[in-house]
Amino acid sequence: GAVVSQHPSRVICKSGTSVKIECRSLDFQATTMFWYRQFPKQSLMLMATSNEGSKATYEQGVEKDKFLINHASLTLSTLTVTSAHPEDSSFYICSAPHPLANYGYTFGSGTRLTVV
Amino acid sequence: AQSVAQPEDQVNVAEGNPLTVKCTYSVSGNPYLFWYVQYPNRGLQFLLKYITGDNLVKGSYGFEAEFNKSQTSFHLKKPSALVSDSALYFCAVRDRRDDKIIFGKGTRLHILP
Repeated sequence: GAVVSQHPSRVICKSGTSVKIECRSLDFQATTMFWYRQFPKQSLMLMATSNEGSKATYEQGVEKDKFLINHASLTLSTLTVTSAHPEDSSFYICSAPHPLANYGYTFGSGTRLTVV
Repeated sequence: AQSVAQPEDQVNVAEGNPLTVKCTYSVSGNPYLFWYVQYPNRGLQFLLKYITGDNLVKGSYGFEAEFNKSQTSFHLKKPSALVSDSALYFCAVRDRRDDKIIFGKGTRLHILP
């Protein structure tokens, strides 16, 4: 149990286009979803926290208008990279607290975004 | 501010030998500590956690970690390494105030056959 399904796993897009990444909690309700970005050989950097029914909270330095986060339901959070540029190429991972795992967290499988 | 330090970028261990991946933390209050493993182009997999109780925590795949409050450490250990243990390992601390997880920079573990 406690599965977060993340799609797509890989996406290649052209500069200037937008890409949407979805994370769904399959067997539990995720009122909160964390979005991370991981550069090659580096740690995960928290980008933003999405909360169902309210605006996302962005970390310092993360452009709100570029990385649009929507958490429209208790099982779905989306990250849209708008007007993508090559420097947005990265590995994006979502994570949700699992209520049955005693403070544990469950992670999506990640999305490899390549902007050409 | 809460932080996690993993002093080693890479650890090399021969198969069958014991392994240790180091982690130290800085938090206010009692910490929630985690270890995660990441395989290439994959999300993170939970290994183990310390919330309270016994300082020695046992987790998945034969891994364990020892919480040492005086040294503010939470080193990951395994008695006998397998080649399949080769991966990227992250230590993390949870901020009790806002549920955020703060990750260390990661340590790449290479198990040599």
